[in-house]
Amino acid sequence: KNQVEQSPQSLIILEGKNCTLQCNYTVSPFSNLRWYKQDTGRGPVSLTIMTFSENTKSNGRYTATLDADTKQSSLHITASQLSDSASYICVVSAGDSWGKLQFGAGTQVVVTP
Amino acid sequence: SQTIHQWPATLVQPVGSPLSLECTVEGTSNPNLYWYRQAAGRGLQLLFYSVGIGQISSEVPQNLSASRPQDRQFILSSKKLLLSDSGFYLCAWEEGQANTGELFFGEGSRLTVL
Repeated sequence: KNQVEQSPQSLIILEGKNCTLQCNYTVSPFSNLRWYKQDTGRGPVSLTIMTFSENTKSNGRYTATLDADTKQSSLHITASQLSDSASYICVVSAGDSWGKLQFGAGTQVVVTP
Repeated sequence: SQTIHQWPATLVQPVGSPLSLECTVEGTSNPNLYWYRQAAGRGLQLLFYSVGIGQISSEVPQNLSASRPQDRQFILSSKKLLLSDSGFYLCAWEEGQANTGELFFGEGSRLTVL
């Protein structure tokens, strides 16, 4: 069973609207949680990295939240743009597993004009 | 600044043929290097990682192998490709000794085995 579950699998939003992506994880012990953006056919690019003590972090129009108690994270996209169309991947790092990041399957976001 | 290069970008190979994907990193020393495979609708699967020259750890038994002949060079190989080897392969690096550091990915290599 995947230790990182993302929802929804995909969503379509109108340009200018906001959306929120969810990530639930069971990875333990927890070290950090990362959100990546992956354009089709390209490598993922990091958006945010959050450690246990951080509960929110922003990168432009992207805001990530973390609740380490409930093991949930969200990525909020504000005022979406066409260039936000991509797959958003949640990645969790375990504190005792060097090199073993747990990847979610990603949420495919399509922004339409 | 650091950069990562991965090639070829796309590859179409017949079953049973060999494979070589290459990845190089510039602008850093002694990076941790990774090979991942990404299947459609699935999360990235770690194939190999390396903490130094000649040091390779394999996560998934398969007909693929990896080598690190130089500090900033990571190669993914196969002697005989299978249909199931088709996929999107990603090389990545992070600062050495930094499990909590940021992971930087290459542009990916799309392999189709026919």
